[in-house]
Order: sequence, then C-alpha cells, then structure tokens
Amino acid sequence: GENVEQHPSTLSVQEGDSAVIKCTYSDSASNYFPWYKQELGKRPQLIIDIRSNVGEKKDQRIAVTLNKTAKHFSLHITETQPEDSAVYFCAARGGGNKLVFGAGTILRVKS
Amino acid sequence: NAGVTQTPKFQVLKTGQSMTLQCAQDMNHEYMSWYRQDPGMGLRLIHYSVGAGITDQGEVPNGYNVSRSTTEDFPLRLLSAAPSQTSVYFCASSPAREGYGYTFGSGTRLTVV
Repeated sequence: GENVEQHPSTLSVQEGDSAVIKCTYSDSASNYFPWYKQELGKRPQLIIDIRSNVGEKKDQRIAVTLNKTAKHFSLHITETQPEDSAVYFCAARGGGNKLVFGAGTILRVKS
Repeated sequence: NAGVTQTPKFQVLKTGQSMTLQCAQDMNHEYMSWYRQDPGMGLRLIHYSVGAGITDQGEVPNGYNVSRSTTEDFPLRLLSAAPSQTSVYFCASSPAREGYGYTFGSGTRLTVV
C-alpha cells in the first residue's frame, strides 16, 4: 500500500522567512496530493492540493510542487507569519482511493 | 450545511467495553474515512468507504468495525476497548470527483482506562 514520508518533523523559521516541507510517496498510481494545516486542538484543514497532471500550484503565499518521476512533492510558504505556526500534513491518494498521511511537520514561526 | 458531524466529542471507556463513534455528513459525499491521531504519529487510516455498502481496511483496522448503510452515516465500532485505543478519532468525507480533499469532523477524544 501507499507509504508517505514527511520531512522535517519540526521546523523553526524567523517571521518573514520561507518554509519548505517535503514529502515522498511510494505508490506510483497516486494521483492527488493535498496539504492540511492543523492548529492545536482543532481539526485538520485543507490548505492547498495538487493533482498528478500538474507540476506546480500557487495560492497567495503558499505553493506546492510535484515531481512524479521522483515521487515527491513539497509545500512552500513564503513571508511566514506567526499565524502560520501549526502542524502541517501532506497526504497522497492512490490505489483504492485511500488517502494516506505523512507524520506531520511542526512549524514554528518566531517573531 | 453542518458538514461532518462527530459524536460524542469526549468519551471515557473502561477496558473491555464497547462503543460506537458516530459520524454523519450532509454534503452527499461518496468517500468517508476514519483516522486516529496519536502524538507524533500523524493521522493513521482505520477504515474507509467509497460508497454505501462498500468499506475497506486502512493501515490500522484491528479492533475496529465499520458499516456504511447510507451515504450520510459511517459509524466506527470499538468491539472491546483497550488502552492502546486511547486517541483522537477523526471522521472525514469528500466527493468522489478527482481533485477534492477531505473535510474533517471536529474529532472525538477517547480515553480507555
């Protein structure tokens, strides 16, 4: 089945700097890659997603890139702000339509 | 739309007890899933369903049962609770159309003593 690895597990950046979180997946049939943000004590919220026929997608300060050949995808957050501090999860949907998550990245934005 | 509704929000069980976590969505979503979240372990898939009458196992299905008799409801049953099942449980749903992510419920915090 699908296996998703996520790095780093924790990331600290200064306010205004960029943050990059990377994920790899194992199932070459996976075709949908969402990213979720989870604040403390709350449910995960979808922030951006990308399909396998697209290499890059951007939404204001957030962008996601996908390399199907290497089976990895990344989340880029520019001009980070304190409210970006949260846990971020990548996920991959592959065969059988299962959505499998990475272990998460704790992002801390220091002001 | 209420979205994805989970009940109860909190529950304490004794080892060996059984219970059902309820999940309902009013968005006519075909896909529904149950995840458990433990510290440092991310979200692990327990069971999922691609439509009424169809369920399948995820990464950690042991000790849990599900059924999907209607599009709206996807209950998760703990047959004989164990302390290892102490966790936060999230139900999620999405349309079957490509390119749509899951909407999560608010979660159930379960403690087994």
